[in-house]
Amino acid sequence: QKEVEQNSGPLSVPEGAIASLNCTYSDRGSQSFFWYRQYSGKSPELIMFIYSNGDKEDGRFTAQLNKASQYVSLLIRDSQPSDSATYLCAVNYGGSQGNLIFGKGTKLSVKP
Amino acid sequence: KAGVTQTPRYLIKTRGQQVTLSCSPISGHRSVSWYQQTPGQGLQFLFEYFSETQRNKGNFPGRFSGRQFSNSRSEMNVSTLELGDSALYLCASSRKGDRGVTDTQYFGPGTRLTVL
Repeated sequence: QKEVEQNSGPLSVPEGAIASLNCTYSDRGSQSFFWYRQYSGKSPELIMFIYSNGDKEDGRFTAQLNKASQYVSLLIRDSQPSDSATYLCAVNYGGSQGNLIFGKGTKLSVKP
Repeated sequence: KAGVTQTPRYLIKTRGQQVTLSCSPISGHRSVSWYQQTPGQGLQFLFEYFSETQRNKGNFPGRFSGRQFSNSRSEMNVSTLELGDSALYLCASSRKGDRGVTDTQYFGPGTRLTVL
């Protein structure tokens, strides 16, 4: 059973702080890893994907992947109230291009 | 480039009825996946279609089915609706990048299905 685990939160950070979101996965053969943001009542919006060990930066977002520890994280620098949403971690284990296994999501609240 | 589109956006049905949802992927994407999202279970994979063939199926009963057309558009059908089928149904299109791994999966706006 392939699983993706996230802390459900809520995670509360003050405006301007760094928000750190974490995710672990069970299948060592997993190939690519995704972070989505989902606002209430909306569909998930792709933030980033990563497939190599290390860090990947895109604007205020940094994804970190450690395959040995089966761990992926997302850092949001200079958090804004508009970042308040549920963040979903998803993993593609390579067996099927379009089959992502999702965590239940972490709810982030950024306080002004 | 147009995103993933889904129709209808909202549906209200009664138990026992059937429903068909439609999805058009991003141009050039041949893989279309369907997911069910509920507050309790989160996002769960239903099935994936690629070049008109179902490549993978999640753990859902046979009442859930789908198909894909030659233009990559996809439909999902749920027969004999149950109250528990009330959910947000999401379609996503994906591609493999140059490195041979899935590097993109974009979601449509979803269809909110309510079963009474």
